[in-house]
Amino acid sequence: DTEVTQTPKHLVMGMTNKKSLKCEQHMGHRAMYWYKQKAKKPPELMFVYSYEKLSINESVPSRFSPECPNSSLLNLHLHALQPEDSALYLCASRPLTSGGGETQYFGPGTRLLVL
Amino acid sequence: AQSVTQLDSQVPVFEEAPVELRCNYSSSVSVYLFWYVQYPNQGLQLLLKYLSGSTLVKGINGFEAEFNKSQTSFHLRKPSVHISDTAEYFCAVTGTSGTYKYIFGTGTRLKVLA
Repeated sequence: DTEVTQTPKHLVMGMTNKKSLKCEQHMGHRAMYWYKQKAKKPPELMFVYSYEKLSINESVPSRFSPECPNSSLLNLHLHALQPEDSALYLCASRPLTSGGGETQYFGPGTRLLVL
Repeated sequence: AQSVTQLDSQVPVFEEAPVELRCNYSSSVSVYLFWYVQYPNQGLQLLLKYLSGSTLVKGINGFEAEFNKSQTSFHLRKPSVHISDTAEYFCAVTGTSGTYKYIFGTGTRLKVLA
């Protein structure tokens, strides 16, 4: 099973709402990522978890709150978002080995629209 | 620090013609190199990667890429494209020293014409 799943596929929310994005993988990967992708742009790194601990936060606004409750699951909690936060949110995972060069496996993404 | 340049934002090509998508990188350390493809409304999928060894790397769907250290390039090629190859292609690098970060290029939109 080389699949990363993300739910929901689409999400529309108002600026006062609270919602969560979910990502799951069962490949035993111990690094998990959140990326934000705007149209016609490359993925932009937001957060990295390794061994369920936050390793990288790319100065993301606090209205985005990541959580890694176990080695298979990654959440992104959203609160008080702005219209400019509308984007495709991609989750990825990769194994952690000493050799390096591991492939990231991406989920299909959640397309978020903030009104 | 690393950076990746994909000079061509769009490449139109007729079906069954060959194509080359260019990728140049800059890095003060050794890197691993990747090409990913993104079809509309989907996530990214690995096409191929270069870690070490032979500089010619073969990937899925008939794609191949050649690592050229002296020119710091990793161009992607396919001898004969299909309509289904229409997608966004991203070149990416990561350092060999155990970093978590992958640096992506700005992407090249391949449009295959009938």
